[in-house]
Amino acid sequence: GALVYQYPRRTICKSGTSMRMECQAVGFQATSVAWYRQSPQKTFELIALSTVNSAIKYEQNFTQEKFPISHPNLSFSSMTVLNAYLEDRGLYLCGARGDSGNTLYFGEGSRLIVV
Amino acid sequence: TQTVSQSDAHVTVFEGDSVELRCNYSYGGSIYLSWYIQHHGRGLQFLLKYYSGNPVVQGVNGFEAEFSKSDSSFHLRKASVHWSDSAVYFCAVRDRGSALGRLHFGAGTQLIVIP
Repeated sequence: GALVYQYPRRTICKSGTSMRMECQAVGFQATSVAWYRQSPQKTFELIALSTVNSAIKYEQNFTQEKFPISHPNLSFSSMTVLNAYLEDRGLYLCGARGDSGNTLYFGEGSRLIVV
Repeated sequence: TQTVSQSDAHVTVFEGDSVELRCNYSYGGSIYLSWYIQHHGRGLQFLLKYYSGNPVVQGVNGFEAEFSKSDSSFHLRKASVHWSDSAVYFCAVRDRGSALGRLHFGAGTQLIVIP
């Protein structure tokens, strides 16, 4: 089956420092990856959409300078939250889709806690 | 503008009861509909999806959902719930013309199953 692994599951970082999170697709080739953030109030925000060999498209209010993403191959993507502050807290979810089908499979998320 | 409405923030039932979690959407074009489950502190697990054909779709763990174009609905049902079904359930909609990772989520319905 299609599995998406995310690492780390949780990070506590000091305000102003950075956190890098990884996303690994297992059992399928992740041609498209979507990074979301779930706020403490449980709402979802799309950060960016990444397709291998194409430019990464960031949503309004999210920038490459703040959330640089790498999607070097069909099984791996990473995102960094630079200079994290309280408003960056939340659960960062990676959703990956393969060539066939229209289902987005999500990982367990990487939770960012900023102190 | 796409909107996804989950009218019930919380639903409480006893183990063995049937349950229906409501999802209504507002969009005039062709869409994909899906349901995800999120257990406490975890990521999103895909349950089922609809994009064409039989309006009743089967998912994992005995869940099913029925698409109704006339009602603009995609309600999730289960005939007999188990305590382990306690979680937050999210309905998601995607415009068929938009990028595959661009999902619009409802606010979620927390299902509480009393053993």
